[in-house]
Amino acid sequence: DAMVIQNPRYQVTQFGKPVTLSCSQTLNHNVMYWYQQKSSQAPKLLFHYYDKDFNNEADTPDNFQSRRPNTSFCFLDIRSPGLGDAAMYLCATSNLQGNGYTFGSGTRLTVV
Amino acid sequence: RKEVEQDPGPFNVPEGATVAFNCTYSNSASQSFFWYRQDCRKEPKLLMSVYSSGNEDGRFTAQLNRASQYISLLIRDSKLSDSATYLCVVSLRSYQLTFGKGTKLSVIP
Repeated sequence: DAMVIQNPRYQVTQFGKPVTLSCSQTLNHNVMYWYQQKSSQAPKLLFHYYDKDFNNEADTPDNFQSRRPNTSFCFLDIRSPGLGDAAMYLCATSNLQGNGYTFGSGTRLTVV
Repeated sequence: RKEVEQDPGPFNVPEGATVAFNCTYSNSASQSFFWYRQDCRKEPKLLMSVYSSGNEDGRFTAQLNRASQYISLLIRDSKLSDSATYLCVVSLRSYQLTFGKGTKLSVIP
């Protein structure tokens, strides 16, 4: 089945140690998104790629970066994770018109 | 004012009950509206889109009032499997969604 796959499901990292979360899709969607969701909070958009064009939300900390080497893959890099970065990170995709919005199952990040 | 506001909940209802969730949004230029369902520790999944004319999908009915900037979701004959968090979602631009915090529903036997 065409889908959005996130790896790993659970990630534990040390305070300050760089970590990368990955997302891949078989839907051939042009747009890929990264959201952060903390407990009992709404998913918060960090950034998105509109094809190769990177769009950062104004309040996304510099500590968060992203790469999209090709249509299928997108990575979230956290350069120096802090305790406050512990959250569920959700990848999503859609077509250019915003249809077919599909979420991956998320990566739950723990910072120790 | 938050962009999307929802009843905080939690809503604890018996099986078979009817329950209604409300949501308001701040940007009158918003174009599209949705209800998503999110189970504990899972990703959000689209429940239904919301149209001005109102729409129904089985036991679920969604309504949109653009003048009041208000969205609702009605669940009839609640089932245990309806227990989840329901997220109100609004789109200003076609491909960017803004989520509410969600309302937690627990359906009790």
